[in-house]
Amino acid sequence: QVHLVESGGGVVQPGRSLRLSCAASGFIFSNHAVHWVRQAPGKGLEWVAFISHDGSNKYYADSVKGRFTISRDNSKNTLFLQMNTLRAEDTAVYFCARGRRVVVVPDAFDSWGQGTLVTVSS
Amino acid sequence: DIQVTQSPSSLSASLGDRVTITCRASQDISNGLSWYQQKPGQAPTLLIYAASRLQSGVPSRFSGSESGTDFTLTISSLQPEDVATYYCLVNYILPFTFGPGTKVDIK
Repeated sequence: QVHLVESGGGVVQPGRSLRLSCAASGFIFSNHAVHWVRQAPGKGLEWVAFISHDGSNKYYADSVKGRFTISRDNSKNTLFLQMNTLRAEDTAVYFCARGRRVVVVPDAFDSWGQGTLVTVSS
Repeated sequence: DIQVTQSPSSLSASLGDRVTITCRASQDISNGLSWYQQKPGQAPTLLIYAASRLQSGVPSRFSGSESGTDFTLTISSLQPEDVATYYCLVNYILPFTFGPGTKVDIK
């Protein structure tokens, strides 16, 4: 059974950094693209970042470009999101999500983690 | 970047009613659209991919269709467990874009 578990969220001051992790199990992690999606309190879903199955391709939303870095360690079945220069508007629940088909991008997200809350506040 | 609108933003319907939600893309996206259901406090779940393909395990009362750049999610007979917010996702090309969501509840 596919399982994605995010961790690393918390309260952080504006301008500081935070690193999120997403541990994957139940499937061959290195075969799938993965994404980060966030949801501000009471708001809709916002796609944040993508990384290809082998880590060779990355793409970011304009709202985080230059501040966030997506990476993965296929040997440890783990996805990361390094978030620097955090702003109040980055406050959200951050979800990791798996691309549906092996290797193929673009595609729908067929599995999601439960999310980790990031609060940016002084 | 591709833009997407979604309507209505909310709706109330009776049990057993047919419910339709529409997303419109700003340009041709072929069948590169998927639909998600999100219940309060939970992660989204995939309902429909490639515009009209039902994800495994999803009840058959959910269906998707497309006409040009218009995409529709239909619930054929609304059930109590369908109370949720529904989102479309344009996953045709990066960057991906979510619709703003449609909140569905029971009248």
